[in-house]
Amino acid sequence: EVQLVESGGGLVQPGGSLRLSCAASGFTFSSYWMSWVRQAPGKGLEWVANIKQDGSEKYYVDSVKGRFTISRDNAKNSLYLQMNSLRAEDTAVYYCARDLRIVGATNWFDPWGQGTLVTVSS
Amino acid sequence: SYVLTQPPSVSVAPGKTARITCGGNNIGSKSVHWYQQKPGQAPVLVIYYDSDRPSGIPERFSGSNSGNTATLTISRVEAGDEADYYCQVWDSSSDHRGVFGGGTKLTVL
Repeated sequence: EVQLVESGGGLVQPGGSLRLSCAASGFTFSSYWMSWVRQAPGKGLEWVANIKQDGSEKYYVDSVKGRFTISRDNAKNSLYLQMNSLRAEDTAVYYCARDLRIVGATNWFDPWGQGTLVTVSS
Repeated sequence: SYVLTQPPSVSVAPGKTARITCGGNNIGSKSVHWYQQKPGQAPVLVIYYDSDRPSGIPERFSGSNSGNTATLTISRVEAGDEADYYCQVWDSSSDHRGVFGGGTKLTVL
């Protein structure tokens, strides 16, 4: 069974840092792009970042560029999101998701993890 | 940046057909994907590449995409279909990024 399990969420003060992890199982992790998607409380979905199989390409939504870093460890079947300079507006449930794609055409996300809540507040 | 527009809510009686739209500039030239999210749960892919269904998704779910509108159609709606539905495209025109619609709350009357 393909499974993604996030961890690392919690309460952090504005300006602080947090590192999220996503443990993958049930598929060949090193063969897939991976993404982080977030959802603020009561709001819609927002794609945050994705990373190529070997980590050589990374893309970010504008609002997190320069503050968040996506990375992966294929030996550990794990995806990470390092979040620095956190703001109140970063408060959300963060989901990791496997990217499925047609090269040069489109990406979609399947499956998703259960999510981990990040709360940025003083 | 590319924008996807969904109606905030759609209501339908059990057994009827629900249609949820997703509007975007020339969206017919892009591939559209749809997700179902029930309260407290992670999103689940229900349609990908405009009209393909992942394994395990009922045939009652179908999709279409043309011009400026993509549509998710749910036939013979059941109470268990009540959820939020999100459309999504991949925007590689100016920068590589995922784009979601604002979501539509489907209410089964």
